[in-house]
Amino acid sequence: EAQVTQNPRYLITVTGKKLTVTCSQNMNHEYMSWYRQDPGLGLRQIYYSMNVEVTDKGDVPEGYKVSRKEKRNFPLILESPSPNQTSLYFCASSLVYGSSSTDTQYFGPGTRLTVL
Amino acid sequence: DAKTTQPTSMDCAEGRAANLPCNHSTISGNEYVYWYRQIHSQGPQYIIHGLKNNETNEMASLIITEDRKSSTLILPHATLRDTAVYYCIAASYGQNFVFGPGTRLSVLP
Repeated sequence: EAQVTQNPRYLITVTGKKLTVTCSQNMNHEYMSWYRQDPGLGLRQIYYSMNVEVTDKGDVPEGYKVSRKEKRNFPLILESPSPNQTSLYFCASSLVYGSSSTDTQYFGPGTRLTVL
Repeated sequence: DAKTTQPTSMDCAEGRAANLPCNHSTISGNEYVYWYRQIHSQGPQYIIHGLKNNETNEMASLIITEDRKSSTLILPHATLRDTAVYYCIAASYGQNFVFGPGTRLSVLP
């Protein structure tokens, strides 16, 4: 089944304790992206990647890191989480960004992170 | 900032057509209109997209005005499972999506 998976789905942690949220897609998509969703603010893009070893900042990159060493994986790293990073996080992927074919984004199920 | 404006919320009776409007008066010629929906706190789900012509798929129809300044998403026979937040996005290929607050559609029994 074609899908985007995220782990963990739920995480409660404390300020300053490094964490990684994994994202994996099995559709051989080139484009991957991370969003956060907060009440009243909608979905905001954190980072995106056009392809392996190519990443770029979205609208709210501060406090986050990403890497894209393989096409299928795009982990989100919080080196020193803070309470203002408490949010619902979504990973997304699409086939080939900017091509003539549809670049429909497929979203993962979300990771609910609480930083105490 | 989102390039589209949508009503905050709408109600629709079950079994009736749900017509969700979207205003994108500043859309440029190479920007498509995309619709996604988010049921509760699940990941957003693609519905449909179009450039100029009206589009239809198994989920919905998309009607784009001739001047492309607005569009309407039509769910022909809304069910309770269509209750969700619907996002209208204007973006060109290669451009990152900007999700606004969307329209909260409530399908009522």
